[in-house]
Amino acid sequence: AQSVTQPDIHITVSEGASLELRCNYSYGATPYLFWYVQSPGQGLQLLLKYFSGDTLVQGIKGFEAEFKRSQSSFNLRKPSVHWSDAAEYFCAVGDQTGANNLFFGTGTRLTVIP
Amino acid sequence: EAGVTQFPSHSVIEKGQTVTLRCDPISGHDNLYWYRRVMGKEIKFLLHFVKESKQDESGMPNNRFLAERTGGTYSTLKVQPAELEDSGVYFCASSQTAGSEAFFGQGTRLTVV
Repeated sequence: AQSVTQPDIHITVSEGASLELRCNYSYGATPYLFWYVQSPGQGLQLLLKYFSGDTLVQGIKGFEAEFKRSQSSFNLRKPSVHWSDAAEYFCAVGDQTGANNLFFGTGTRLTVIP
Repeated sequence: EAGVTQFPSHSVIEKGQTVTLRCDPISGHDNLYWYRRVMGKEIKFLLHFVKESKQDESGMPNNRFLAERTGGTYSTLKVQPAELEDSGVYFCASSQTAGSEAFFGQGTRLTVV
């Protein structure tokens, strides 16, 4: 069965520090992987996605993620966090149709301190 | 261009009452999705419309939930009668095609007391 695990419920980082949010998935076939962000009062916004090809994916707002098949992981990274990055981040997996019937993780809430 | 809009933003109802949530997708988006996030849990897929047809309703929890998309434009999700465990945030999303980027609304926070 498909599932997504985000082991960190809440992460606090200092502004300017690097960030890595973990995501592990369980999926029977080659997965399509997504990271979404939800800022306060907003809907979910797509940060980046991986369908195939280069396993290092660049997204919006300076985020990137790396697909590691051997580890069933798709961790999100940013070299230098800005205060506006404070939000909740969701990893999701979909099937190879690329359809949006997605399986989401429980989310990681990011707090950024000055 | 307007994004996906959901009404109401918040709803508090008593157990046993009926609530109807509405989603207006981005104009021209044939695909419409409903998701739900129960407090502290993952966001779960409920169903997928293509125009007015239900493409996949495998995530609907039980027959107290009824989703419609008459005319293939806006969609409603009715919960009747509501139970305490129905509390959560209900998200709607739309996409132009099944594989294109899905745009999410802000969600409706439903509280059943």
